[in-house]
Amino acid sequence: GEEVAQTPKHLVRGEGQKAKLYCAPIKGHSYVFWYQQVLKNEFKFLISFQNENVFDETGMPKERFSAKCLPNSPCSLEIQATKLEDSAVYFCASSQSRNSPLHFGNGTRLTVT
Amino acid sequence: KQEVTQIPAALSVPEGENLVLNCSFTDSAIYNLQWFRQDPGKGLTSLLLIQSSQREQTSGRLNASLDKSSGRSTLYIAASQPGDSATYLCAAPQSSSNTGKLIFGQGTTLQVKP
Repeated sequence: GEEVAQTPKHLVRGEGQKAKLYCAPIKGHSYVFWYQQVLKNEFKFLISFQNENVFDETGMPKERFSAKCLPNSPCSLEIQATKLEDSAVYFCASSQSRNSPLHFGNGTRLTVT
Repeated sequence: KQEVTQIPAALSVPEGENLVLNCSFTDSAIYNLQWFRQDPGKGLTSLLLIQSSQREQTSGRLNASLDKSSGRSTLYIAASQPGDSATYLCAAPQSSSNTGKLIFGQGTTLQVKP
């Protein structure tokens, strides 16, 4: 597709539950990125992929966060045992190359209660 | 380590005015710099991407400049319209290797009054 599609739009989880977010990048884009927006304009990088390979995962809280981009499937970001501080909007973005503009999805709002 | 700063945090102008948004960065070995727009409840829309070898990029009423030596980029919006009201963010890669780890400024929230 011509847009980055993120599902679901909203997700509510009780503390300690698992959350799984999905992202379908734009067709033909080789790079996928996940960002977390906690406060209004504070974006935190989580992880990037080049096709199905992890490119940079230095932003991932390794204990509870994991992500995958498998061929012919939407990419996913999974949070095990969610905590209150995981409440945020999670954005996925894709790009054609490392030097191309990033195209963002509309985000998944995760609320942990 | 790259740090990105934007001023002002908020700006209100009457329709039709030309305006400039500012972005500063600390690491001049910048790979590229992007300007984004975010509307409430939406993701980011890429407006302009300036490569490190470029001095400016233009798209319609938007013009973005890049001055690596001074660590500054500006986004110029000509003849502003109410539809330009949004938050504008600039972002630069954390390092010259550009793994997609962008460092974002805090954004400038623009309101254009009819």
